[in-house]
Amino acid sequence: EVKLVESGGGLVQPGRSLKLSCAASGFSFNDYWMGWVRQAPGKGLEWIGEINQDSSTINYTPSLKDKFTISRDNAQNTLYLQMSKLGSEDTAIYYCASGGIPGYFDYWGQGVMVTVSS
Amino acid sequence: DIQMTQSPSLLSASVGDRVTLSCKASQNIYKYLNWYQQKLGEAPKLLIYYTNSLQTGIPSRFSGSGSGTDYTLTISSLQPEDVATYFCQQYNSWPWTFGGGTKLELK
Repeated sequence: EVKLVESGGGLVQPGRSLKLSCAASGFSFNDYWMGWVRQAPGKGLEWIGEINQDSSTINYTPSLKDKFTISRDNAQNTLYLQMSKLGSEDTAIYYCASGGIPGYFDYWGQGVMVTVSS
Repeated sequence: DIQMTQSPSLLSASVGDRVTLSCKASQNIYKYLNWYQQKLGEAPKLLIYYTNSLQTGIPSRFSGSGSGTDYTLTISSLQPEDVATYFCQQYNSWPWTFGGGTKLELK
């Protein structure tokens, strides 16, 4: 069974940094693209970025590229999202997702909540 | 960025109805269009990829169609468990973008 489990969320003060993790199991992690998507409370979905199998290609939504860094550790079957200079607009549920090709993500984690507030 | 516009934003229908949801792209996306279902408190679930390909395990009452800039998700006979918000997403041109969603409720 494919499982993606996000962790590392919580309450963080404005201007601080936070690193999310996504632990993958049940599939060959190093064969798949991975991505991050977020959803502000009561709002729609927003792509943050995606990373290919060997980390040679990382795509970021241009408006977010200065705030987020995506990485992966294939030995640990784990995807990461480093977030910096957080503001209230970054309050959201953050989902990781996996897929065979860019843009096609068929498995999603349950999401982790990040709340930016003083 | 390609803008995706979904309509209507809210749709009320009865069990057994045929339901059609629309998604319009700001430019040609050459059928690189996915549909997701998101139930309250859950992660999105991929229903349809590349406009009309049914994801494994998704009931056959769901179907997709379209080309160019205009795309449609159809539920042939609405079931109570289909109450959810539906999002379209283009993957023709980075950054991938989602529509604002159509919330489907029972009448």
